[in-house]
Amino acid sequence: GESVGLHLPTLSVQEGDNSIINCAYSNSASDYFIWYKQESGKGPQFIIDIRSNMDKRQGQRVTVLLNKTVKHLSLQIAATQPGDSAVYFCAENIWDGNTGKLIFGQGTTLQVKP
Amino acid sequence: DVKVTQSSRYLVKRTGEKVFLECVQDMDHENMFWYRQDPGLGLRLIYFSYDVKMKEKGDIPEGYSVSREKKERFSLILESASTNQTSMYLCASSFSGRREAFFGQGTRLTVV
Repeated sequence: GESVGLHLPTLSVQEGDNSIINCAYSNSASDYFIWYKQESGKGPQFIIDIRSNMDKRQGQRVTVLLNKTVKHLSLQIAATQPGDSAVYFCAENIWDGNTGKLIFGQGTTLQVKP
Repeated sequence: DVKVTQSSRYLVKRTGEKVFLECVQDMDHENMFWYRQDPGLGLRLIYFSYDVKMKEKGDIPEGYSVSREKKERFSLILESASTNQTSMYLCASSFSGRREAFFGQGTRLTVV
């Protein structure tokens, strides 16, 4: 089946630095991508999304970049804070006839050092 | 705020037992999903439903079934639990035509 993968299982950054989390996807027909954040003991929470007809989208302290040529997605977090420590998943939306289903990558654990 | 509620945070069941995991959402979402989450494997889709009484297999449906008798409730059933079904189970829901899915807090199931 299709798969969405993240390049690194763990990323460690200093508080205040910028973080970049990468993701490679394999389905060129995917039309929508989401980044989720999962804190310990909780379900994944939506951070930011991007449609396939865009190459950049900005939120509060976060930016998602999409490069369809190489099927690459990245999440940039500005001025990383301790509260950003979590597992981050990228997901791609694949249409299955009647509805879209999200296919997730393996996740990257972001550790923020004080 | 959207609320997706899973009936249990932790469950311990014996091999061979029939197990029911319940999920309820309060936002009138058409779509509901069940994922399992394992270390190093991310979230894998087990089953999903886009309407009442409708169900579709995900990527790993073997050993599982689902039931959606009401729009707000989506149940995952392990007909005969096995130790390899020990995992974190996550339920999610979304509006039809919208891709963003909202997740419950998860049920950590241990089969002994």
